[in-house]
Amino acid sequence: GENVEQHPSTLSVQEGDSAVIKCTYSDSASNYFPWYKQELGKRPQLIIDIRSNVGEKKDQRIAVTLNKTAKHFSLHITETQPEDSAVYFCAAILQGSSNYKLTFGKGTLLTVNP
Amino acid sequence: DVKVTQSSRYLVKRTGEKVFLECVQDMDHENMFWYRQDPGLGLRLIYFSYDVKMKEKGDIPEGYSVSREKKERFSLILESASTNQTSMYLCASSFLIAGGGHYGYTFGSGTRLTVV
Repeated sequence: GENVEQHPSTLSVQEGDSAVIKCTYSDSASNYFPWYKQELGKRPQLIIDIRSNVGEKKDQRIAVTLNKTAKHFSLHITETQPEDSAVYFCAAILQGSSNYKLTFGKGTLLTVNP
Repeated sequence: DVKVTQSSRYLVKRTGEKVFLECVQDMDHENMFWYRQDPGLGLRLIYFSYDVKMKEKGDIPEGYSVSREKKERFSLILESASTNQTSMYLCASSFLIAGGGHYGYTFGSGTRLTVV
């Protein structure tokens, strides 16, 4: 089955700096890669996703890049703000198959210091 | 928006009790999931269901069972609660569009279970 490794487990940055979280996956057939943000005491929520037919996707201050050859994808947050502080999870799945479940990384605790 | 509702936000149960955690979704999703979340271990899949009365084991099913009698409701059962089952439990639901459309994976707010 799929295995997703996520690094780093914790990340501390100053407000205004950039933050990068990296994930690698094992199943080269996986074709959908979402990222979830979980604020303290709240549910994980989808913030951005990317499909294997594109290499990069942006949404305001966040972007995700995908390198299919190396089987890794990354979340980039620019101009970080204190409200970006949260746990971030990456995930992977082969969509369109009989596989129904996302495989998650173990999460990254991002702290943005004012 | 899809709503995934978990019946309890906090629960405290005694060792050996039978515990039911309930999850209801309102968007006719076929798939439902139960995860537990522990610090440093991320989200670990306990069980999932892709149809009414269908269930499959996830990565850590030991000590748990599930029930899905109706499409909108997925219950997690701890047959005899133990202290090592103290955790945050998250329910999720999803649908899969033919051709690889948006997956729609949505989480509930979680139930923090403490077993004493």
